[in-house]
Amino acid sequence: KNQVEQSPQSLIILEGKNCTLQCNYTVSPFSNLRWYKQDTGRGPVSLTIMTFSENTKSNGRYTATLDADTKQSSLHITASQLSDSASYICVVSHPIQQYGNKLVFGAGTILRVKS
Amino acid sequence: ETGVTQTPRHLVMGMTNKKSLKCEQHLGHNAMYWYKQSAKKPLELMFVYNFKEQTENNSVPSRFSPECPNSSHLFLHLHTLQPEDSALYLCASSRIRADTQYFGPGTRLTVL
Repeated sequence: KNQVEQSPQSLIILEGKNCTLQCNYTVSPFSNLRWYKQDTGRGPVSLTIMTFSENTKSNGRYTATLDADTKQSSLHITASQLSDSASYICVVSHPIQQYGNKLVFGAGTILRVKS
Repeated sequence: ETGVTQTPRHLVMGMTNKKSLKCEQHLGHNAMYWYKQSAKKPLELMFVYNFKEQTENNSVPSRFSPECPNSSHLFLHLHTLQPEDSALYLCASSRIRADTQYFGPGTRLTVL
């Protein structure tokens, strides 16, 4: 069964600290993996996208890694800010002949950054 | 802002009411989507429209009825909903079916 599991479910850190969010997936075959950030009361916004051949992708203080062999990805946030408080969603794209690509969503990790 | 707008942002309705959610995208995209987001659960894809044609209906109850009059607008008509339908309803669009999706802010729906 194609699934995406994220951990931890929630996380509280102090402003300025680093943190790492995990994503494990069983989706096969696999097209790409995205990390989305969803602020409270808003829709998800894409942070990074990685294909099978990419190991790492950065977007400012956000760095995503991908190990396609172990089917694991992580999102590392450096020098966290209060504005990083949000839900972070891992999404794996699964190619299906009929539809092109089908997205499999994780349940998200809720991050809260405290001052 | 992502270029995808949704109205209303909040909606409270009784089980016998009929209401509609509206989504509009200003990105020139050809694919549009409706998702349901419940607390602590992954986003659930409900409907997909590609070039105004419905291409996916993921076993959604008939009390949810989508409409796509053109590639920029998407509606979700609601009638005789149940309390368990209370959730955040997100609209998204993408250039083509397989491309990165841009999400609207969502409509927070509460069914009493």
